[in-house]
Amino acid sequence: ELKVEQNPLFLSMQEGKNYTIYCNYSTTSDRLYWYRQDPGKSLESLFVLLSNGAVKQEGRLMASLDTKARLSTLHITAAVHDLSATYFCAVESAGTASKLTFGTGTRLQVTL
Amino acid sequence: EPEVTQTPSHQVTQMGQEVILRCVPISNHLYFYWYRQILGQKVEFLVSFYNNEISEKSEIFDDQFSVERPDGSNFTLKIRSTKLEDSAMYFCASSYPGQIYNEQFFGPGTRLTVL
Repeated sequence: ELKVEQNPLFLSMQEGKNYTIYCNYSTTSDRLYWYRQDPGKSLESLFVLLSNGAVKQEGRLMASLDTKARLSTLHITAAVHDLSATYFCAVESAGTASKLTFGTGTRLQVTL
Repeated sequence: EPEVTQTPSHQVTQMGQEVILRCVPISNHLYFYWYRQILGQKVEFLVSFYNNEISEKSEIFDDQFSVERPDGSNFTLKIRSTKLEDSAMYFCASSYPGQIYNEQFFGPGTRLTVL
């Protein structure tokens, strides 16, 4: 059974600081997604990572994937308050149009 | 931009009652999913649906649950006899699988409260 773990579960950081969220998964997969969720809201797709060494950047967020280590990272550069949300990684199982297995989520709070 | 829609946004029901949660997936999508999220917890897969039948279901999706695509646009999740532990946010998602990956688009969710 595929297991996906994230750490930390909660992250409080000051504006302007950098930090990294880690996502480990237990079985081979080369399709990993990052989502953002604001309180009481739905899941917004941030990144799709498809191959070993994939790196994608959007604004202050950068995601990477190491399929050999079964590890993805979401790096936050010079955090701003608007980035406060919960971030989930999700791993797609093998096969066509398979389910997503989500990580535990990281609740990010950016303080002034 | 096309989006997945869900109704109602919030449903309150008594334990033992039947509820039907409705979703309208993105129109050209072929795969449909239900996930749930208990408050403060991670998102969990319930069921996937393709070509008018269930493709995969989780352990959570027991005999109390059923899904249906009654017409060309709606996709429903029915819970026959709700329990307190069914209280959660239920998300519908849809996708049009590409050759390489299958990005799922999520609806806004239905918050189900069982009293």
